[in-house]
Amino acid sequence: EVQLVESGGGLAQPGGSLRLSCAVSGFTFSNYGMNWVRQAPGKGLEWLSYIAYSSGSIYYADSVKGRFTISRDNAKNSLFLQMNSLRDEDTAVYYCARRYNTGWFYFDHWGQGTLVTVSS
Amino acid sequence: QSALTQPPSASGSPGQSVTISCTGTSSDVGGYNYVSWYQQHPGKAPKLMIYEVSTRPSGVPDRFSGSKSGNTASLTVSGLQAEDEADYYCCSYGGSSNVLFGGGTKLTVL
Repeated sequence: EVQLVESGGGLAQPGGSLRLSCAVSGFTFSNYGMNWVRQAPGKGLEWLSYIAYSSGSIYYADSVKGRFTISRDNAKNSLFLQMNSLRDEDTAVYYCARRYNTGWFYFDHWGQGTLVTVSS
Repeated sequence: QSALTQPPSASGSPGQSVTISCTGTSSDVGGYNYVSWYQQHPGKAPKLMIYEVSTRPSGVPDRFSGSKSGNTASLTVSGLQAEDEADYYCCSYGGSSNVLFGGGTKLTVL
């Protein structure tokens, strides 16, 4: 069974940093690209970032470019999101999501999400 | 680029059909056949329902169908069932390695 489990969320101050992790199991992680998607409280979904299976291709949404960094450790079946210069508007549930086989912009398996709250 | 435009709500009675629209531009929805739809129940993670405009992943009931005309994509749910009540999000590749979501539509089964 495919499982994705996010962790690392919590309370951060504006201007602060957090590092999210996504531990995966049930599939060969090193064969799949991965994404981060977030959802502000009561709001819609927002794609944030993609990393290819080998880290050879990395993409970011304009809203986080230069502040967030996606990375992965295939040996540890883990995906990461380093979030710096946090803003109030970064408050959201953060999901990791596996790319579907026909396109990196489709997301076929999602974690349960981890809540990040940015507040002073 | 702006988010795709969806109606905030839609509704239908059990057994009826409901269509949810998703309007973008020629740079996203209209420019690529890379539209997908996600179902999200309260407190749950989204679930992929449609990809490539109209293709259902394995396990998704054929009551769910997708289409596209110009810059507008649509999701139709036929034979509405109580468990279809959820939020639905459209999504499109936006070019330049970008992905856009719609604002979401809350589907109510009356």
